[in-house]
Amino acid sequence: GNSVTQMEGPVTLSEEAFLTINCTYTATGYPSLFWYVQYPGEGLQLLLKATKADDKGSNKGFEATYRKETTSFHLEKGSVQVSDSAVYFCALSSSGNTPLVFGKGTRLSVIA
Amino acid sequence: GAVVSQHPSRVICKSGTSVKIECRSLDFQATTMFWYRQFPKQSLMLMATSNEGSKATYEQGVEKDKFLINHASLTLSTLTVTSAHPEDSSFYICSARDLSLEANVLTFGAGSRLTVL
Repeated sequence: GNSVTQMEGPVTLSEEAFLTINCTYTATGYPSLFWYVQYPGEGLQLLLKATKADDKGSNKGFEATYRKETTSFHLEKGSVQVSDSAVYFCALSSSGNTPLVFGKGTRLSVIA
Repeated sequence: GAVVSQHPSRVICKSGTSVKIECRSLDFQATTMFWYRQFPKQSLMLMATSNEGSKATYEQGVEKDKFLINHASLTLSTLTVTSAHPEDSSFYICSARDLSLEANVLTFGAGSRLTVL
């Protein structure tokens, strides 16, 4: 079945540091890939997505590229801010109106 | 964009009582909604798929008599935790897709934190 594996946290960085959160997936066919973010006490918000190989999703300075050859969708940001502190979830979805399969989440703490 | 409203955001109840959580799609119709449960510091576990006008599809290990799901209209799904116990305390999140927009993007409600005393 489909599955998502992402690096375990917590990750603690200083402000303006470079961020990478690794995510790999296992899926049949050609899934869509997502990063969702959950700020403390809130629900999930879509951060970015990519629907086919070599697509790059980007939003708020975050980027992730859909790499079919390595089945990866790593999240990166060049300079993190304290306000980026949250839990980040990598997820995939097969075609059709199907639920998302999530990774376990990575907690990021950015300190000033 | 699509908005999913979830209510209540927080609820505290006594053990043995039932609690209903509502999930509404605003400005779009959702024939299918998904209910997730999130334990502290853990990922989201899919509980069930709610289908408008028919029975929900429950994931393995989820008690359908414990977690009643009703999807009576194209914009409303409800999750009722029956005879709640402290181990049911959790964060419950619903989600839906606006199929008229970008495919495969799930929009999530803000979640409902249930505390059972």
